[in-house]
Amino acid sequence: ILNVEQSPQSLHVQEGDSTNFTCSFPSSNFYALHWYRWETAKSPEALFVMTLNGDEKKKGRISATLNTKEGYSYLYIKGSQPEDSATYLCAFGVSSGTYKYIFGTGTRLKVLA
Amino acid sequence: DTAVSQTPKYLVTQMGNDKSIKCEQNLGHDTMYWYKQDSKKFLKIMFSYNNKELIINETVPNRFSPKSPDKAHLNLHINSLELGDSAVYFCASSPQLEGYGTDTQYFGPGTRLTVL
Repeated sequence: ILNVEQSPQSLHVQEGDSTNFTCSFPSSNFYALHWYRWETAKSPEALFVMTLNGDEKKKGRISATLNTKEGYSYLYIKGSQPEDSATYLCAFGVSSGTYKYIFGTGTRLKVLA
Repeated sequence: DTAVSQTPKYLVTQMGNDKSIKCEQNLGHDTMYWYKQDSKKFLKIMFSYNNKELIINETVPNRFSPKSPDKAHLNLHINSLELGDSAVYFCASSPQLEGYGTDTQYFGPGTRLTVL
């Protein structure tokens, strides 16, 4: 059974704080690691897709790193704003005959003004 | 213009009934998916279709039957609904199955199914 784990489950930070969360995944049969942002009452929206060990991606104040050898990815948010409040999901792309994505349970971030 | 749409948004029904959820994508994608968000908020893959062909069929009761009349549509029909079927169901699409997982998935707004 392939598991993708995210920590922490939830997080409250003050506006302006920087924060980070972790996605852990199996290091074998790795194809890609995706990060999604999921606001309440909306659909998950893609943030990043990473494929190579050592990959770093950045979009505004949000960035992510990837370590495929040890099976983890970090998502960083610099200077958190209330509009960053959402659940951040990672998804591990794996192929075992057919290709599919395995999602973590997400990290729920609340940024307090 | 909604990229991936689902109808209905909410569905409340009695145990034992048969119901369908429709999904349409206007992105020209080859692959479509159905996910179930369970009580622990996990998104679990149920089915995947590529160009109207079933690719992934996870361990899902055969009361659930997906149907893809064309590449842009993937509907989910559920027979003999049970209390445990209550969940939010998400449809998604991605450009091509052979993207080896690099393809971003685009999600619909979800359908909240409540079985009484």
